[in-house]
Amino acid sequence: DAEITQSPRHKITETGRQVTLACHQTWNHNNMFWYRQDLGHGLRLIHYSYGVQDTNKGEVSDGYSVSRSNTEDLPLTLESAASSQTSVYFCASSDPGVPTDTQYFGPGTRLTVL
Amino acid sequence: AQSVSQHNHHVILSEAASLELGCNYSYGGTVNLFWYVQYPGQHLQLLLKYFSGDPLVKGIKGFEAEFIKSKFSFNLRKPSVQWSDTAEYFCAVIPPLNNNDMRFGAGTRLTVKP
Repeated sequence: DAEITQSPRHKITETGRQVTLACHQTWNHNNMFWYRQDLGHGLRLIHYSYGVQDTNKGEVSDGYSVSRSNTEDLPLTLESAASSQTSVYFCASSDPGVPTDTQYFGPGTRLTVL
Repeated sequence: AQSVSQHNHHVILSEAASLELGCNYSYGGTVNLFWYVQYPGQHLQLLLKYFSGDPLVKGIKGFEAEFIKSKFSFNLRKPSVQWSDTAEYFCAVIPPLNNNDMRFGAGTRLTVKP
């Protein structure tokens, strides 16, 4: 079955370190997204991609970057981790050919920045 | 700022009680609407979605939602909740002319007492 996976599932890091969160999907979806989930805010879009070599900033992109070198993967990089980036991160993908634009979510990565 | 509002932050019900969770959005024009559920420790799953047609949408697990355009609302309902419905529920909107930029409400935590 097609799926979307994230790794690691849990990560503890220190302020100032670079951190990369992996997202891999086997749906063959062109669209991929990164969200962060914080209490009281729901999910907020960080970055998204409509295909290989395409990346776009979302609502809360400061301090984050993504790159898309193939269809399956969209890694999220925190260039210099800050305590404010402690959160749960969700990756999602969708097929632009589906009118309803349903997004399918990964299991999440809980990141703690000390 | 345009937004998605979920007015109830935490709802506590007894089993067999009826459920209605509110969702309002402030975007004009044609929108795509979704309800996602997140069970404890799990990732988001799609409950139901609306993009056109019958404004009463049936989803999985006995949930339904009604789109009322004049009220900018998309409330989620279930006639009789079960303990297993304990979860966090998120309303989401894809605004017009902004495909795939999904905006989420802050979420409503539902606790069902056995």
